[in-house]
Amino acid sequence: QSVLTQPPSVSGAPGQRVTISCTGSSSSIGAGYNVHWYQQLPGRAPKLLIYDNSNRPAGVPDRFSGSKSGTSASLAITGLQAEDEADYYCQSYDSQQRGLSWVFGGGTKVTVV
Amino acid sequence: EVQLVESGGGLIQSGGSLRLSCAASGFIVSDNYMSWVRQAPGKGLEWVSVYYTGTNTYYADSVRGRFTISRDNPKNTLVLQMNSLRVEDTATYYCARVRKWPPQSSYMDVWGKGTTVTVSS
Repeated sequence: QSVLTQPPSVSGAPGQRVTISCTGSSSSIGAGYNVHWYQQLPGRAPKLLIYDNSNRPAGVPDRFSGSKSGTSASLAITGLQAEDEADYYCQSYDSQQRGLSWVFGGGTKVTVV
Repeated sequence: EVQLVESGGGLIQSGGSLRLSCAASGFIVSDNYMSWVRQAPGKGLEWVSVYYTGTNTYYADSVRGRFTISRDNPKNTLVLQMNSLRVEDTATYYCARVRKWPPQSSYMDVWGKGTTVTVSS
């Protein structure tokens, strides 16, 4: 059971907008810690998609955007494309765990229908 | 080009040991914070360990006391020594470069392709 909760799957048609939620608690996202997002294409390693809640690394299309509010964060994909089919993970920090603890969401599979 | 290449994975019996390596190119490991993240088959990502400085290394509860993270600076390599392996340690192990410190702000911006560890009973 992950400290950060994500929906197991979301789907959308090409061109549509989909959003993925990432819900934490007062000891993680709600404590003000930044949220980061990773994309994992099938059979590939994770790739940084969004850092510090809403920043895109160089080379990431602006179709991807992130936001954070309260104890939750969201990743939005606008103009959904077939190549966006992947697993998406949020990551943050949790102060309730012993020592240092980076936590991930359970992952959301995005399907382009 | 900035790149990470893991090696050392394989099939090992429960209770055994393995040593994973992560060779970096395009940047200097000793100038960066470095981490290991694993992914069990069909499961999500799990943070394992981070190397901050020689006296500051951190571990997930699930591996603390069994795994040791270190650096081989001449080889520009990150190492994960895994002892007393358990079936539940079966996973693909990724090394990643960590950006920003303190850890409350950290994220991983470069990832290797991973190396697979299978622990049999």
